[in-house]
Amino acid sequence: AQSVTQLGSHVSVSEGALVLLRCNYSSSVPPYLFWYVQYPNQGLQLLLKYTSAATLVKGINGFEAEFKKSETSFHLTKPSAHMSDAAEYFCAVSTNTGGFKTIFGAGTRLFVKA
Amino acid sequence: SQTIHQWPATLVQPVGSPLSLECTVEGTSNPNLYWYRQAAGRGLQLLFYSVGIGQISSEVPQNLSASRPQDRQFILSSKKLLLSDSGFYLCAWSTSAGLRTDTQYFGPGTRLTVL
Repeated sequence: AQSVTQLGSHVSVSEGALVLLRCNYSSSVPPYLFWYVQYPNQGLQLLLKYTSAATLVKGINGFEAEFKKSETSFHLTKPSAHMSDAAEYFCAVSTNTGGFKTIFGAGTRLFVKA
Repeated sequence: SQTIHQWPATLVQPVGSPLSLECTVEGTSNPNLYWYRQAAGRGLQLLFYSVGIGQISSEVPQNLSASRPQDRQFILSSKKLLLSDSGFYLCAWSTSAGLRTDTQYFGPGTRLTVL
């Protein structure tokens, strides 16, 4: 069965600093992996996804993530944080067992300090 | 382009009252549809998903139910609300990439407060 673990429920960075949000997955088959962002009182929107093409995936707003099979990781990074990046971020894995579902991590709230 | 609508945006209901939340998708056919709940400070909990009209899979036993009367309409209901039903309800749709789900597209959500 597939699962996702996000390390750190809260991450705080200074504006201009590197953003690193950690995600580890478990999957018995080659996974589809996603990062979504949620701003307060809104739905989630896709930042980027990995579907077995290039291992370094670039997304919107300057974010990128690297799929590392040996480490079962899909960490999200951004070189320089902006105040507008403050939001909650969810890592997710798509499963092909038990129906058409996506398993979401618990989320990491990113705070950006001025 | 595809759009997804949810209504109402906010709802305050007394304990024991019924519930009906509606979700509609435009611009696509035969989508997979999903209902999620976010309780305060928690992640996403999948409640129901549907791969076609009248086909509903329940993920969590509870006093909620879902129906899909039309291809692009998904309804979440309850006969009697509990305090624990409070939360942020999100509807989403996706296509299927073979046997797996690709990107999910989320609606704006409904904030439900049960008093």
